[in-house]
Amino acid sequence: NAGVTQTPKFQVLKTGQSMTLQCAQDMNHNSMYWYRQDPGMGLRLIYYSASEGTTDKGEVPNGYNVSRLNKREFSLRLESAAPSQTSVYFCASQRAGGNQETQYFGPGTRLLVL
Amino acid sequence: AQSVTQPDIHITVSEGASLELRCNYSYGATPYLFWYVQSPGQGLQLLLKYFSGDTLVQGIKGFEAEFKRSQSSFNLRKPSVHWSDAAEYFCAVGASNYGQNFVFGPGTRLSVLP
Repeated sequence: NAGVTQTPKFQVLKTGQSMTLQCAQDMNHNSMYWYRQDPGMGLRLIYYSASEGTTDKGEVPNGYNVSRLNKREFSLRLESAAPSQTSVYFCASQRAGGNQETQYFGPGTRLLVL
Repeated sequence: AQSVTQPDIHITVSEGASLELRCNYSYGATPYLFWYVQSPGQGLQLLLKYFSGDTLVQGIKGFEAEFKRSQSSFNLRKPSVHWSDAAEYFCAVGASNYGQNFVFGPGTRLSVLP
């Protein structure tokens, strides 16, 4: 049981390049999330998927797209990277089951855009 | 709109000393409140949460937090800090238990002196 896994762990891009961040969970969770973490700002929600086949925008969706490939996988794509997208990206998942359920986070992907 | 402030950016305590991390929130109704811990290079882990009932909540790793509606606060406490508690701590407020409704505070970094 690996929990939430993210690849890659670290990536350097040039402005304008594209890339996809991968996230997978093996806990059979319904909901999955993408956050970005910037110094002094806590986590901000980029996109989420409440269930397989659905995606919705969060607080900071501009410049990103997502795909809920199946129940396990939720990818985040940067079509044309910008320096403002330099951040640490976290994926999380959660079971839909009421107030006792908890979000589980992956280890993060550090992205540097030059 | 909901918001969270964590007044202390960085706190240093000696091992064995008591700890209190402050969290103040703004939310119109009864909030869901959370404390997460992030160890260096890791994702976030839930320490505890409050959504109803007893206003003193016990969590993992010996942490507790108290919800004070009159002060709009949810401060995190631990009676005796261990060196392994050095990490970043995030308070979050939400309209429900689900991540799409969360707002995270900017975090407090805890250093522990031997």
